[in-house]
Amino acid sequence: NAGVTQTPKFQVLKTGQSMTLQCAQDMNHEYMSWYRQDPGMGLRLIHYSVGAGITDQGEVPNGYNVSRSTTEDFPLRLLSAAPSQTSVYFCASRLTLGSANYGYTFGSGTRLTVV
Amino acid sequence: GENVEQHPSTLSVQEGDSAVIKCTYSDSASNYFPWYKQELGKRPQLIIDIRSNVGEKKDQRIAVTLNKTAKHFSLHITETQPEDSAVYFCAAKPPGNKLVFGAGTILRVKS
Repeated sequence: NAGVTQTPKFQVLKTGQSMTLQCAQDMNHEYMSWYRQDPGMGLRLIHYSVGAGITDQGEVPNGYNVSRSTTEDFPLRLLSAAPSQTSVYFCASRLTLGSANYGYTFGSGTRLTVV
Repeated sequence: GENVEQHPSTLSVQEGDSAVIKCTYSDSASNYFPWYKQELGKRPQLIIDIRSNVGEKKDQRIAVTLNKTAKHFSLHITETQPEDSAVYFCAAKPPGNKLVFGAGTILRVKS
């Protein structure tokens, strides 16, 4: 049981490049989400998904795309990287409605630098 | 939508003293309030949580209190130790699945 696995751990991109941050969980959690963490701003929700085939926007979705083709995977795509997207990205998952366990499990994070 | 404010942004205490971090939320329908601890370079880890039908919960040296009328909740750490030094985040969950986080509190425990 690996929990939530994120890859890569570190990435440097040039402005305008695209890339995909990977997130996978093996806990059969329906809900998955992506947050970005910036100094002094806490964790801000980018996109989330309540199940395979269902995604929705969070607080700061611009410049990012997601898809959820399977329960296990929830990749985050940066379409054309900008320096403002320099941040630490966390994927988090949890069991959803009907479950008494509301706790989120976080991945280990991806530190992205856009130059 | 839900908005969570967290204070203070930094907190320094002497080892053995107590630390209190406070959060307020805006959506009265929020029903779940977790606290996360994040050590430097690590992922956030859930340390304690409380549901809206409970006023207080304790786990060893940490406790959380919830005042639904005032829409605020607090984290209390007693007998602080150097290993308590970290960033602490509060969060609130309105109806649905999204979790809204506060901006975080840097806690430094001086030995």
